[in-house]
Amino acid sequence: NAGVTQTPKFQVLKTGQSMTLQCAQDMNHNSMYWYRQDPGMGLRLIYYSASEGTTDKGEVPNGYNVSRLNKREFSLRLESAAPSQTSVYFCASIESLSNQPQHFGDGTRLSIL
Amino acid sequence: GQQVMQIPQYQHVQEGEDFTTYCNSSTTLSNIQWYKQRPGGHPVFLIQLVKSGEVKKQKRLTFQFGEAKKNSSLHITATQTTDVGTYFCAGGFSGNTGKLIFGQGTTLQVKP
Repeated sequence: NAGVTQTPKFQVLKTGQSMTLQCAQDMNHNSMYWYRQDPGMGLRLIYYSASEGTTDKGEVPNGYNVSRLNKREFSLRLESAAPSQTSVYFCASIESLSNQPQHFGDGTRLSIL
Repeated sequence: GQQVMQIPQYQHVQEGEDFTTYCNSSTTLSNIQWYKQRPGGHPVFLIQLVKSGEVKKQKRLTFQFGEAKKNSSLHITATQTTDVGTYFCAGGFSGNTGKLIFGQGTTLQVKP
């Protein structure tokens, strides 16, 4: 039982390049989230998807786009990467929109030069 | 906007000493969750508190939710080297979006 799977695990980009971070969950969860983690700043919500077909902005959405491809998959896209987007990105999911624990993937460590 | 502040940022203790981290919200929370992240790992859910004044225990860990539902604490009694990691509180707010606002985290180092 894999839970939440993120790919890739590591990536180095040059400024201006684009890339998509993939996230898939096999728990039949309805809601999915993308966070970034920077030293001393905790986890900050980028975008979330309450259910298949819907997406909403979080605290720090600028420079990112998302797609909820189906119930399992929620991708995060950087159209034109900037050094300020160097971070560790985590995807998480919960069963439904209630007070439930979030299940996290292992993260993608992204460096932008 | 909604903010959750967590202190201290770092704590170094000798094995066997106690440890406490504190969380404060600018607005009333509907619930608070606590997560632990080991170095190089991902956050793992520890517990959720929902009721005003609630206290929950997990072995050596004690979690409290304030009467006003604006603050919370995690206390570890007699720390062990296995307690090393970063502890995050995460506040949920009314509106039932499932969104959480995370505190900055407290990184605990335990000297054997």
